[in-house]
Amino acid sequence: GAVVSQHPSRVICKSGTSVKIECRSLDFQATTMFWYRQFPKQSLMLMATSNEGSKATYEQGVEKDKFLINHASLTLSTLTVTSAHPEDSSFYICSARGTGGLMSYGYTFGSGTRLTVV
Amino acid sequence: GESVGLHLPTLSVQEGDNSIINCAYSNSASDYFIWYKQESGKGPQFIIDIRSNMDKRQGQRVTVLLNKTVKHLSLQIAATQPGDSAVYFCAENNAGNMLTFGGGTRLMVKP
Repeated sequence: GAVVSQHPSRVICKSGTSVKIECRSLDFQATTMFWYRQFPKQSLMLMATSNEGSKATYEQGVEKDKFLINHASLTLSTLTVTSAHPEDSSFYICSARGTGGLMSYGYTFGSGTRLTVV
Repeated sequence: GESVGLHLPTLSVQEGDNSIINCAYSNSASDYFIWYKQESGKGPQFIIDIRSNMDKRQGQRVTVLLNKTVKHLSLQIAATQPGDSAVYFCAENNAGNMLTFGGGTRLMVKP
């Protein structure tokens, strides 16, 4: 089945530094990748949608200069949290959607990244 | 169920009983729905899906029911086991071809 690998699973960083999170589709080509943020005891909130080779589309209220998304290939998308602050501490989850056929609705999720900014 | 602030609604069931988790979705144009299970510290895990042209779909121990008239989705888990304890989310694929998640329900299975 479709597998999405997300790395790192946990990261602790100092305020003001930047953190990069990777999301890879291991056995399929992901034309579209999604980035979600989840606070404790809450649901997943979509941050942005990225299509390979084009700029990401950000949801309302999400700062594109703070959360940089790059989807340079059909198997890799990255989310960089720039100048991180404690309020950016959260659980970040990526999802990938493949091309055509049964995969067209096949959203596959990564295992998430717990970011703690100190 | 819908989340209220920081509190997830909780469903507590006895091991072996059947569980029913409900979800109200928002967009009448949504054409595809998915139930996910999320354990602590992990990403969502696919359980079962249903397209809008169906009203029922069965999997192994799970059944999803869709009522488009009232925009309601339910997940039924038969013979609930301790390993089913998790937070369950419904998600709808809307016209923009992205998933919108419901608030989530915590399922607790008592041995």
